[in-house]
Amino acid sequence: DTGVSQDPRHKITKRGQNVTFRCDPISEHNRLYWYRQTLGQGPEFLTYFQNEAQLEKSRLLSDRFSAERPKGSFSTLEIQRTEQGDSAMYLCASSEQQDEQFFGPGTRLTVL
Amino acid sequence: AQKVTQAQTEISVVEKEDVTLDCVYETRDTTYYLFWYKQPPSGELVFLIRRNSFDEQNEISGRYSWNFQKSTSSFNFTITASQVVDSAVYFCALSEAPPTGANSKLTFGKGITLSVRP
Repeated sequence: DTGVSQDPRHKITKRGQNVTFRCDPISEHNRLYWYRQTLGQGPEFLTYFQNEAQLEKSRLLSDRFSAERPKGSFSTLEIQRTEQGDSAMYLCASSEQQDEQFFGPGTRLTVL
Repeated sequence: AQKVTQAQTEISVVEKEDVTLDCVYETRDTTYYLFWYKQPPSGELVFLIRRNSFDEQNEISGRYSWNFQKSTSSFNFTITASQVVDSAVYFCALSEAPPTGANSKLTFGKGITLSVRP
C-alpha cells in the first residue's frame, strides 16, 4: 500500500499567479486534511474533508484559498493571486475516521 | 481552544545519551488524543504514537518511551541511547476525541530540533 502522495513537491511562482496542488490519500481513507507549515513552526490546520464533503475551514484559509475533493478520493488546493506570505510547506494527511493521520511529503511553495 | 507548548527549541546530545523532549498541553475537552510525530530532514512527518486521554499508562517501544501525566497536562517523550538517525524535529500534537467521531484536526506545538552527534 502506498502512502499519501503530493504533487508537485516544489513550486516556485511569481506574486499574483494562481497555483494548484494535488494530494492523493491512502486508499480508502475517508478523511483528508490540509495543513500549512512555515519555517520553524509546527503545521497549522487549514481544512478537512470527510469523503467529498468539506466539513471545516480554518480562518487561516482566506478567500483566495479553495480546496476540493470531488469524488472523495484525491484533493486539490488552489491559491489564487499568490502573495509572498503564502510561501510555506503545504502538507496533506489522510486517516480512517479518528485514527492517526498519515502525512504526505508536502509541497513547498515559494512566491517570488 | 487547544494549545501545545514545547518549551525546548533545540537539544543537542552525544550519541548514546538519553534525552527527554517535553510537551505541555491545554484543552477544555474531557476526551482527547495526544500524539508525537517525527520530521526528519527529508521533511515528511512520521507518526510515532497516539495516546487516548483515558489511558495514563506509560508506553515503551524499543528505545522510545512516553510519560503521560494528566495532573500536569504533560506528555513527555524519552529516547534512550540516542542514535544519529534520531536527529530530526519532533512535534507533539493534540486533537479532540468526540464520541460523535467528528473532526479530529491536530494542533501542533512548535517542535523541538534534536541533534545527535556521533
